[in-house]
Amino acid sequence: GESVGLHLPTLSVQEGDNSIINCAYSNSASDYFIWYKQESGKGPQFIIDIRSNMDKRQGQRVTVLLNKTVKHLSLQIAATQPGDSAVYFCAENTGGFKTIFGAGTRLFVKA
Amino acid sequence: DGGITQSPKYLFRKEGQNVTLSCEQNLNHDAMYWYRQDPGQGLRLIYYSQIVNDFQKGDIAEGYSVSREKKESFPLTVTSAQKNPTAFYLCASSHEQGKTEAFFGQGTRLTVV
Repeated sequence: GESVGLHLPTLSVQEGDNSIINCAYSNSASDYFIWYKQESGKGPQFIIDIRSNMDKRQGQRVTVLLNKTVKHLSLQIAATQPGDSAVYFCAENTGGFKTIFGAGTRLFVKA
Repeated sequence: DGGITQSPKYLFRKEGQNVTLSCEQNLNHDAMYWYRQDPGQGLRLIYYSQIVNDFQKGDIAEGYSVSREKKESFPLTVTSAQKNPTAFYLCASSHEQGKTEAFFGQGTRLTVV
């Protein structure tokens, strides 16, 4: 498969545990934030998003937390499964064409 | 099924040759984008288009060209002027530029031999 992010930060968790992936964003004017999941050899897939007027948003097994004071975003995955193994990207946007993507974090789930 | 399709998945090119990567979407999205992905880095924007017959340079447009003759199609040409073209190229589209999530294709791996 495609090698994306050979030297990425890696998070290794046991199957069934919760995972927390962190992201520091760069622009205090960013008002829309997105988490994407990228499996090997595939394009990124949308997981969850949050706008700057919120601090927390929940999806199915995933929660995104936004701390605008310290420009920090996190993705929490509950009951992590082997299928969650992938590279996770955060992205920020100020409302225009420019979406800034983080370098990504590789999540490895141990069975 | 609605989606965004890139072809081919793998592409080999000799130095000095131009090559065109295909991107088609049937999501009725106005905005389309091309990104380049290198190991250990985030996605970098090459070109984007808001509407038909309009496109703008992104952060790393040098050595690339695009066209947007149809809403559904946004092909990318990697020209011989691109100094380091070997990379994973991703096409994306979104309903509303910058305000909704992007839908990505499966990518094209370009290798210069």
